[in-house]
Amino acid sequence: SQQGEEDPQALSIQEGENATMNCSYKTSINNLQWYRQNSGRGLVHLILIRSNEREKHSGRLRVTLDTSKKSSSLLITASRAADTASYFCATRKQGGSEKLVFGKGTKLTVNP
Amino acid sequence: EPEVTQTPSHQVTQMGQEVILRCVPISNHLYFYWYRQILGQKVEFLVSFYNNEISEKSEIFDDQFSVERPDGSNFTLKIRSTKLEDSAMYFCASSTYRDRPYEQYFGPGTRLTVT
Repeated sequence: SQQGEEDPQALSIQEGENATMNCSYKTSINNLQWYRQNSGRGLVHLILIRSNEREKHSGRLRVTLDTSKKSSSLLITASRAADTASYFCATRKQGGSEKLVFGKGTKLTVNP
Repeated sequence: EPEVTQTPSHQVTQMGQEVILRCVPISNHLYFYWYRQILGQKVEFLVSFYNNEISEKSEIFDDQFSVERPDGSNFTLKIRSTKLEDSAMYFCASSTYRDRPYEQYFGPGTRLTVT
């Protein structure tokens, strides 16, 4: 199954604008995590939202989760050029599986 | 802040050779993972490891792959006879508890190039 499909695939905005990225998944999940990856580098954990949570904030990040629609969104407010990166959602299924299933990601470009 | 480290950052090897990728997970973590990312593709799960044994593995993790925790700190991924299609970025990750939704923390990756 294709869990964790993000859209848009690419997003280009101006510094100071907000960026919204969406993620859809297909199976019941235990939690959903968002990661950031700078070009050719490692994955940096941003935020985790549990299946019984609807919204979570961390600094300029806001994540929502709608389990009825099997979707999540990541909002970055007041974006900066340094936010330029690829953003991935990763889901952990219910039922004890430990693996994270990643989407293809959204490539965000913040223009100064 | 504690972090996962990986060595080497880049490994070039010839097809058919054995490679060992090394990782030092975060010290109080109990679960360890390997993922890979072929260029331009999704990050894919390979294997998870707990209590000195494999707890879950994907279809990708065939007999060519093995993992080991040789001492109290290192966690290794061995590819016995590399193929061209093994070229990818390999990420190690670690987490605390399995049954709680704890975050998996990733290392910076090892870029493996098979020629």
